[in-house]
Amino acid sequence: GESVGLHLPTLSVQEGDNSIINCAYSNSASDYFIWYKQESGKGPQFIIDIRSNMDKRQGQRVTVLLNKTVKHLSLQIAATQPGDSAVYFCAERENSWGKLQFGAGTQVVVTP
Amino acid sequence: DGGITQSPKYLFRKEGQNVTLSCEQNLNHDAMYWYRQDPGQGLRLIYYSQIVNDFQKGDIAEGYSVSREKKESFPLTVTSAQKNPTAFYLCASSNGGALLEQFFGPGTRLTVL
Repeated sequence: GESVGLHLPTLSVQEGDNSIINCAYSNSASDYFIWYKQESGKGPQFIIDIRSNMDKRQGQRVTVLLNKTVKHLSLQIAATQPGDSAVYFCAERENSWGKLQFGAGTQVVVTP
Repeated sequence: DGGITQSPKYLFRKEGQNVTLSCEQNLNHDAMYWYRQDPGQGLRLIYYSQIVNDFQKGDIAEGYSVSREKKESFPLTVTSAQKNPTAFYLCASSNGGALLEQFFGPGTRLTVL
């Protein structure tokens, strides 16, 4: 079936380094992708999104890359900080109205 | 402040009891959603509503019920038919059209004793 998944369940990053979180998706009809950050015991927070007609989008310290050829999505965090420690989810939007399919998440741990 | 509120933050219930989780939003969003999250897993869609007085089942609706009598409110009832109700429950809302992002509430952690 269609699925969204992440390659690495846990990513350990040294403070100040760049982080790259990967996500594979299998629904070639998906036209919208979104990254969320979830801190322990809290609801997910929006980080950045991208439509399928784009291959790159930048925000503040974050960049999302979309490779439709291999159905791959990545989130890059520049100069990772302790406050970036969280679980990161990618999600894709189905072709129906407003439904998101979430991956399992990647735990990012920032070490000093 | 605009946003989504969920109450209570922690909820305990005895096995066999129904319990209702509250979700309110003042973002004037048309659509609202309920998700369930289990430890180490992603979010799974329980129910969603695109407009007042209308809602649809998500991927794991069995043992749950919802209502959407007001635009601002989308309460979720976890019934005794839900076999494994202990989880973290998240409510979200979104506006249709150009704004596709879903905004999430802080969540309710339900524990069945």
